[in-house]
Amino acid sequence: AQKITQTQPGMFVQEKEAVTLDCTYDTSDQSYGLFWYKQPSSGEMIFLIYQGSYDEQNATEGRYSLNFQKARKSANLVISASQLGDSAMYFCAMREPYSSASKIIFGSGTRLSIRP
Amino acid sequence: EAEVAQSPRYKITEKSQAVAFWCDPISGHATLYWYRQILGQGPELLVQFQDESVVDDSQLPKDRFSAERLKGVDSTLKIQPAELGDSAMYLCASSGTGRSSYNSPLHFGNGTRLTVT
Repeated sequence: AQKITQTQPGMFVQEKEAVTLDCTYDTSDQSYGLFWYKQPSSGEMIFLIYQGSYDEQNATEGRYSLNFQKARKSANLVISASQLGDSAMYFCAMREPYSSASKIIFGSGTRLSIRP
Repeated sequence: EAEVAQSPRYKITEKSQAVAFWCDPISGHATLYWYRQILGQGPELLVQFQDESVVDDSQLPKDRFSAERLKGVDSTLKIQPAELGDSAMYLCASSGTGRSSYNSPLHFGNGTRLTVT
């Protein structure tokens, strides 16, 4: 069975510093997709970034980048120049190989708090 | 941008009562998901629809939970009877179908926060 592990329940970071949120996954499939979502205290789930298992380049979206190490089965999110508005829960998620029923499972999340 | 609509936003109910949540996905999205999120945890998939068919409900407590998507558009999730442990956020999400949508993210609604007293 597939599994997502986020080992950092909470993190505190000084504003303007970079931060890395860890995510490891367990799968025997060769094809899969990895997502990161942000959930502010208001509750909505905001999509941040996607990495396909066959993508050779690490994904980047503005201040977000994904440090994808396939052999180690890790997909860490890097936020550069953190801002107060980055304070939120962050979830790593994995999509099963393509099918009409491919599921997306989530990790337990990391609560990020940015200090001014 | 089109959104996933969910109602109600908040629901307080007494244990043993019935409760229902509604979700209207983004137009054209064939895949619809219901997730349960306990406070401080990640979302847990309850049921997944492809059009009107259930493709996964392995984590749905079928003795008390039911879900339907009769016309393959909007969906209803029901709990009867509600228990104290059902207090959580219930999130609905949708996505396109087909290989071209594989790398597309789920679009989430704002959720229904359920409190069972």
